[in-house]
Amino acid sequence: DTEVTQTPKHLVMGMTNKKSLKCEQHMGHRAMYWYKQKAKKPPELMFVYSYEKLSINESVPSRFSPECPNSSLLNLHLHALQPEDSALYLCASSQENLRGPTYEQYFGPGTRLTVT
Amino acid sequence: GQNIDQPTEMTATEGAIVQINCTYQTSGFNGLFWYQQHAGEAPTFLSYNVLDGLEEKGRFSSFLSRSKGYSYLLLKELQMKDSASYLCAVTSGTYKYIFGTGTRLKVLA
Repeated sequence: DTEVTQTPKHLVMGMTNKKSLKCEQHMGHRAMYWYKQKAKKPPELMFVYSYEKLSINESVPSRFSPECPNSSLLNLHLHALQPEDSALYLCASSQENLRGPTYEQYFGPGTRLTVT
Repeated sequence: GQNIDQPTEMTATEGAIVQINCTYQTSGFNGLFWYQQHAGEAPTFLSYNVLDGLEEKGRFSSFLSRSKGYSYLLLKELQMKDSASYLCAVTSGTYKYIFGTGTRLKVLA
């Protein structure tokens, strides 16, 4: 099973709402990632979890709050978002290697978020 | 700073060969990946280079020159389904994948 799943596929939320994005993989990968992608732009790294611990936070505003409850699940909690946060949010996973070559990432289909 | 550049758009004819270039300047280098992304879909892995030289995988090949900060993806026998965006990504430091600007390829019949 080389699949990364994400829910929901689409989400529309107001600026005062609280919502969560969910990501799941069963490939035994211990590194999981959140990316933001605007139309016709490349994915931008937001957060990386390694062995369920936050490893990288790319100076993301605190209205985005990641969580890794276990090795298969990754959540992104959203609160008080702005219209400019509207984008495709991609989750990815990869094998981990702390000291050597890196491995390819497997991406989920993404959640298309619209903030009104 | 981190800089990864690709041509914005390319057009080629079905059955032809196309080369998509990627130049990079990053603070570290652990490897270079190529991904394909169809509109509205997730990126999918195509190839990986960590040493200089050519990696061949069916109709796709990727080349790396670390001294020049340069890579290219070569697509042979182009098919209509190859119309997509092609993303070059460099890993600089553990888990730090930095994506290039992406190249939108249009294949014409």
